[in-house]
Amino acid sequence: NAGVTQTPKFRVLKTGQSMTLLCAQDMNHEYMYWYRQDPGMGLRLIHYSVGEGTTAKGEVPDGYNVSRLKKQNFLLGLESAAPSQTSVYFCASSYTSGGQPQHFGDGTRLSIL
Amino acid sequence: KQEVTQIPAALSVPEGENLVLNCSFTDSAIYNLQWFRQDPGKGLTSLLLIQSSQREQTSGRLNASLDKSSGRSTLYIAASQPGDSATYLCAGGDGTSGTYKYIFGTGTRLKVLA
Repeated sequence: NAGVTQTPKFRVLKTGQSMTLLCAQDMNHEYMYWYRQDPGMGLRLIHYSVGEGTTAKGEVPDGYNVSRLKKQNFLLGLESAAPSQTSVYFCASSYTSGGQPQHFGDGTRLSIL
Repeated sequence: KQEVTQIPAALSVPEGENLVLNCSFTDSAIYNLQWFRQDPGKGLTSLLLIQSSQREQTSGRLNASLDKSSGRSTLYIAASQPGDSATYLCAGGDGTSGTYKYIFGTGTRLKVLA
Protein backbone atom coordinates (compact mmCIF):
# COMPACT_ATOMS: atom_id res chain seq x y z
CA ASN A 1 0.00 0.00 0.00
CA ALA A 2 2.62 2.53 -1.14
CA GLY A 3 0.35 5.46 -2.11
CA VAL A 4 2.54 8.27 -3.47
CA THR A 5 6.28 7.65 -3.58
CA GLN A 6 8.87 10.33 -4.29
CA THR A 7 12.50 9.71 -5.20
CA PRO A 8 15.01 10.83 -4.19
CA LYS A 9 14.28 11.99 -0.64
CA PHE A 10 17.31 14.30 -0.45
CA ARG A 11 19.59 15.83 -3.03
CA VAL A 12 22.28 18.50 -3.15
CA LEU A 13 23.08 20.09 -6.50
CA LYS A 14 25.47 22.72 -7.72
CA THR A 15 24.16 25.73 -9.60
CA GLY A 16 23.65 24.89 -13.26
CA GLN A 17 23.29 21.14 -12.78
CA SER A 18 20.19 19.31 -13.92
CA MET A 19 18.12 16.62 -12.29
CA THR A 20 14.77 14.87 -12.38
CA LEU A 21 12.45 14.17 -9.47
CA LEU A 22 10.22 11.14 -9.80
CA CYS A 23 6.72 10.74 -8.41
CA ALA A 24 4.92 7.41 -8.60
CA GLN A 25 1.39 6.61 -7.44
CA ASP A 26 -0.31 3.22 -7.30
CA MET A 27 -3.90 4.41 -6.78
CA ASN A 28 -4.84 4.80 -10.45
CA HIS A 29 -5.32 8.54 -9.95
CA GLU A 30 -5.91 10.74 -12.96
CA TYR A 31 -4.66 14.01 -11.48
CA MET A 32 -1.09 14.59 -10.31
CA TYR A 33 0.55 17.74 -8.95
CA TRP A 34 3.99 19.10 -8.13
CA TYR A 35 4.28 21.68 -5.33
CA ARG A 36 7.15 23.43 -3.64
CA GLN A 37 7.04 24.38 0.04
CA ASP A 38 9.09 27.28 1.31
CA PRO A 39 9.11 28.77 4.84
CA GLY A 40 6.36 31.34 5.32
CA MET A 41 4.94 30.84 1.82
CA GLY A 42 2.87 27.68 2.05
CA LEU A 43 2.66 25.22 -0.80
CA ARG A 44 2.77 26.63 -4.31
CA LEU A 45 1.72 24.71 -7.39
CA ILE A 46 4.47 24.28 -10.00
CA HIS A 47 2.85 22.07 -12.64
CA TYR A 48 0.03 19.61 -12.74
CA SER A 49 -1.41 16.91 -14.98
CA VAL A 50 -5.02 15.94 -15.58
CA GLY A 51 -4.16 12.64 -17.24
CA GLU A 52 -1.55 10.61 -19.08
CA GLY A 53 0.19 12.67 -21.74
CA THR A 54 -1.13 16.03 -20.49
CA THR A 55 0.57 18.71 -18.39
CA ALA A 56 -0.23 22.30 -17.45
CA LYS A 57 1.47 25.20 -15.68
CA GLY A 58 0.68 26.13 -12.13
CA GLU A 59 1.52 29.22 -10.10
CA VAL A 60 5.35 29.03 -10.26
CA PRO A 61 6.37 27.04 -13.37
CA ASP A 62 9.49 28.96 -14.46
CA GLY A 63 12.67 26.89 -14.39
CA TYR A 64 10.83 23.57 -14.28
CA ASN A 65 9.55 21.08 -16.82
CA VAL A 66 7.34 18.04 -16.36
CA SER A 67 6.29 14.92 -18.18
CA ARG A 68 3.52 12.34 -17.68
CA LEU A 69 4.29 9.54 -20.12
CA LYS A 70 2.65 6.93 -17.91
CA LYS A 71 -0.45 7.43 -15.79
CA GLN A 72 1.30 6.36 -12.60
CA ASN A 73 4.38 8.56 -12.98
CA PHE A 74 4.88 12.32 -12.96
CA LEU A 75 8.42 13.65 -13.47
CA LEU A 76 9.67 17.10 -12.49
CA GLY A 77 12.82 18.32 -14.17
CA LEU A 78 15.22 21.13 -13.37
CA GLU A 79 17.27 21.88 -16.48
CA SER A 80 19.70 24.37 -14.90
CA ALA A 81 19.35 24.48 -11.13
CA ALA A 82 19.45 27.84 -9.35
CA PRO A 83 19.80 28.60 -5.60
CA SER A 84 16.24 30.00 -5.66
CA GLN A 85 15.03 26.47 -6.36
CA THR A 86 16.23 25.25 -2.98
CA SER A 87 13.04 23.95 -1.42
CA VAL A 88 11.03 20.94 -0.36
CA TYR A 89 9.15 19.47 -3.31
CA PHE A 90 5.92 17.56 -2.85
CA CYS A 91 4.01 15.44 -5.28
CA ALA A 92 0.30 14.78 -4.85
CA SER A 93 -2.38 12.88 -6.69
CA SER A 94 -6.14 12.68 -6.67
CA TYR A 95 -8.74 10.54 -8.36
CA THR A 96 -10.65 13.37 -9.99
CA SER A 97 -10.40 17.12 -10.32
CA GLY A 98 -12.56 17.98 -7.36
CA GLY A 99 -14.45 16.45 -4.50
CA GLN A 100 -11.67 14.01 -3.80
CA PRO A 101 -8.82 14.48 -1.33
CA GLN A 102 -5.27 14.89 -2.50
CA HIS A 103 -2.74 12.27 -1.41
CA PHE A 104 0.80 13.48 -0.82
CA GLY A 105 4.24 11.93 -0.94
CA ASP A 106 6.80 12.53 1.81
CA GLY A 107 8.70 15.13 -0.18
CA THR A 108 12.13 15.68 -1.71
CA ARG A 109 14.47 18.08 0.06
CA LEU A 110 16.57 19.80 -2.59
CA SER A 111 19.48 22.13 -1.90
CA ILE A 112 21.15 24.11 -4.66
CA LEU A 113 24.61 25.43 -3.80
CA LYS B 1 -7.38 35.45 -7.20
CA GLN B 2 -8.09 33.18 -4.27
CA GLU B 3 -5.99 33.82 -1.17
CA VAL B 4 -5.99 31.63 1.93
CA THR B 5 -4.84 32.86 5.34
CA GLN B 6 -4.29 31.00 8.60
CA ILE B 7 -3.92 32.83 11.90
CA PRO B 8 -2.20 32.29 14.28
CA ALA B 9 0.97 30.87 12.80
CA ALA B 10 1.68 28.96 16.02
CA LEU B 11 -0.36 27.84 19.02
CA SER B 12 0.47 26.04 22.28
CA VAL B 13 -2.23 24.50 24.47
CA PRO B 14 -2.28 22.17 27.47
CA GLU B 15 -3.38 18.59 26.94
CA GLY B 16 -7.12 18.03 27.14
CA GLU B 17 -8.10 21.46 25.90
CA ASN B 18 -10.60 21.92 23.09
CA LEU B 19 -9.26 24.21 20.39
CA VAL B 20 -10.19 25.90 17.13
CA LEU B 21 -7.92 26.58 14.17
CA ASN B 22 -8.96 29.27 11.73
CA CYS B 23 -8.75 29.53 7.96
CA SER B 24 -9.90 32.52 5.90
CA PHE B 25 -10.33 32.75 2.14
CA THR B 26 -11.08 35.69 -0.14
CA ASP B 27 -13.21 34.16 -2.91
CA SER B 28 -16.58 32.82 -1.81
CA ALA B 29 -16.78 30.78 -5.04
CA ILE B 30 -14.59 28.23 -3.36
CA TYR B 31 -15.07 24.74 -4.79
CA ASN B 32 -14.32 22.92 -1.57
CA LEU B 33 -12.00 23.20 1.40
CA GLN B 34 -9.57 20.62 2.70
CA TRP B 35 -7.76 20.42 6.02
CA PHE B 36 -4.38 18.68 6.18
CA ARG B 37 -1.97 17.66 8.89
CA GLN B 38 1.79 17.82 8.32
CA ASP B 39 4.29 16.23 10.69
CA PRO B 40 7.93 17.42 10.62
CA GLY B 41 9.80 16.07 7.61
CA LYS B 42 6.68 14.43 6.24
CA GLY B 43 4.10 15.06 3.56
CA LEU B 44 0.56 16.23 4.08
CA THR B 45 -2.17 13.94 5.32
CA SER B 46 -5.75 14.80 4.41
CA LEU B 47 -7.96 15.12 7.49
CA LEU B 48 -11.28 16.44 6.24
CA LEU B 49 -12.72 17.62 2.94
CA ILE B 50 -15.79 19.86 2.90
CA GLN B 51 -17.65 20.33 -0.36
CA SER B 52 -19.02 23.79 -1.19
CA SER B 53 -22.57 22.50 -0.64
CA GLN B 54 -21.75 21.24 2.86
CA ARG B 55 -21.37 23.14 6.09
CA GLU B 56 -19.30 20.70 8.11
CA GLN B 57 -17.54 17.37 8.25
CA THR B 58 -16.58 15.26 11.25
CA SER B 59 -13.99 12.58 11.83
CA GLY B 60 -13.43 11.34 15.36
CA ARG B 61 -12.32 14.26 17.53
CA LEU B 62 -12.11 16.56 14.52
CA ASN B 63 -14.86 18.76 13.15
CA ALA B 64 -14.41 21.15 10.25
CA SER B 65 -16.91 23.82 9.25
CA LEU B 66 -17.26 25.94 6.15
CA ASP B 67 -19.00 29.32 5.90
CA LYS B 68 -18.68 30.58 2.35
CA SER B 69 -20.53 33.83 2.99
CA SER B 70 -18.02 34.94 5.62
CA GLY B 71 -15.01 33.36 3.90
CA ARG B 72 -14.11 31.22 6.88
CA SER B 73 -13.44 27.64 7.81
CA THR B 74 -12.61 26.29 11.26
CA LEU B 75 -11.07 23.05 12.43
CA TYR B 76 -12.22 22.05 15.91
CA ILE B 77 -10.11 19.57 17.84
CA ALA B 78 -11.72 18.11 20.92
CA ALA B 79 -9.77 16.91 23.95
CA SER B 80 -6.38 17.65 22.43
CA GLN B 81 -3.52 15.19 22.93
CA PRO B 82 0.26 15.52 22.58
CA GLY B 83 -0.02 13.34 19.46
CA ASP B 84 -2.04 16.12 17.84
CA SER B 85 1.09 18.27 17.74
CA ALA B 86 1.75 19.06 14.07
CA THR B 87 1.24 21.78 11.49
CA TYR B 88 -2.31 22.07 10.21
CA LEU B 89 -2.91 23.49 6.74
CA CYS B 90 -6.10 24.40 4.98
CA ALA B 91 -6.47 24.53 1.22
CA GLY B 92 -9.25 26.11 -0.80
CA GLY B 93 -10.35 24.48 -4.01
CA ASP B 94 -10.27 26.96 -6.88
CA GLY B 95 -12.20 25.83 -9.95
CA THR B 96 -12.47 29.24 -11.63
CA SER B 97 -9.87 28.50 -14.30
CA GLY B 98 -11.77 25.46 -15.47
CA THR B 99 -9.22 23.07 -14.07
CA TYR B 100 -9.34 22.37 -10.41
CA LYS B 101 -6.45 23.52 -8.19
CA TYR B 102 -5.89 24.03 -4.47
CA ILE B 103 -4.66 27.27 -2.88
CA PHE B 104 -2.89 26.58 0.42
CA GLY B 105 -2.60 28.62 3.58
CA THR B 106 0.76 28.82 5.37
CA GLY B 107 -0.44 26.67 8.26
CA THR B 108 -0.82 26.80 12.03
CA ARG B 109 1.87 25.00 14.02
CA LEU B 110 0.15 23.36 17.00
CA LYS B 111 1.91 22.12 20.10
CA VAL B 112 -0.07 20.22 22.73
CA LEU B 113 1.73 20.17 26.06
CA ALA B 114 1.56 17.05 28.26
